[in-house]
Amino acid sequence: DQQVKQNSPSLSVQEGRISILNCDYTNSMFDYFLWYKKYPAEGPTFLISISSIKDKNEDGRFTVFLNKSAKHLSLHIVPSQPGDSAVYFCAASGNNNAGNMLTFGGGTRLMVKP
Amino acid sequence: EPEVTQTPSHQVTQMGQEVILRCVPISNHLYFYWYRQILGQKVEFLVSFYNNEISEKSEIFDDQFSVERPDGSNFTLKIRSTKLEDSAMYFCASSVGQSGTQYFGPGTRLLVL
Repeated sequence: DQQVKQNSPSLSVQEGRISILNCDYTNSMFDYFLWYKKYPAEGPTFLISISSIKDKNEDGRFTVFLNKSAKHLSLHIVPSQPGDSAVYFCAASGNNNAGNMLTFGGGTRLMVKP
Repeated sequence: EPEVTQTPSHQVTQMGQEVILRCVPISNHLYFYWYRQILGQKVEFLVSFYNNEISEKSEIFDDQFSVERPDGSNFTLKIRSTKLEDSAMYFCASSVGQSGTQYFGPGTRLLVL
């Protein structure tokens, strides 16, 4: 059951350039989307989120875009820095559950080369 | 900056033994969660907890699992009789409200032999 899917397992980007990470979902009941960053042997760290009433949210170098009709969201990091190298997970939750469970994608490993 | 903490960081146990994983959520948060990540797989939801009750649980969270908030700060996950397939990273998370952002702890790596 792949309700949230990240089709690119890895992405390599040069320092200073833009990193674009993509995520697709199938459940139309999802109304809140989040991006988490994860280093090895650590827990997911919250980066940025977006509600389904918006199509863009920006926080410093990070911008999340949501295309509801395509059921697609993306995370843009610009400019990319070597410290951004990590695994990035998108996650989604919906108003159809009482417990606010998050459904995660499989993650994309971002490598930013100096 | 407040953060979710978890103990132990690593736990090795024999199949059939009971384990208790501990979490201290962020102090003003009211909603608590457990997730797990088996090596090479997705992060999976186990259970959410609010007002001393389970509010939602997944199919993974069967009778072998239980959660408790024994005091005002700790939130525990108990696995009664561990199986080999319970080997995973277990993450605790907490949020202020039901629809709030969930903040994760560093995880406990559980290895069942």
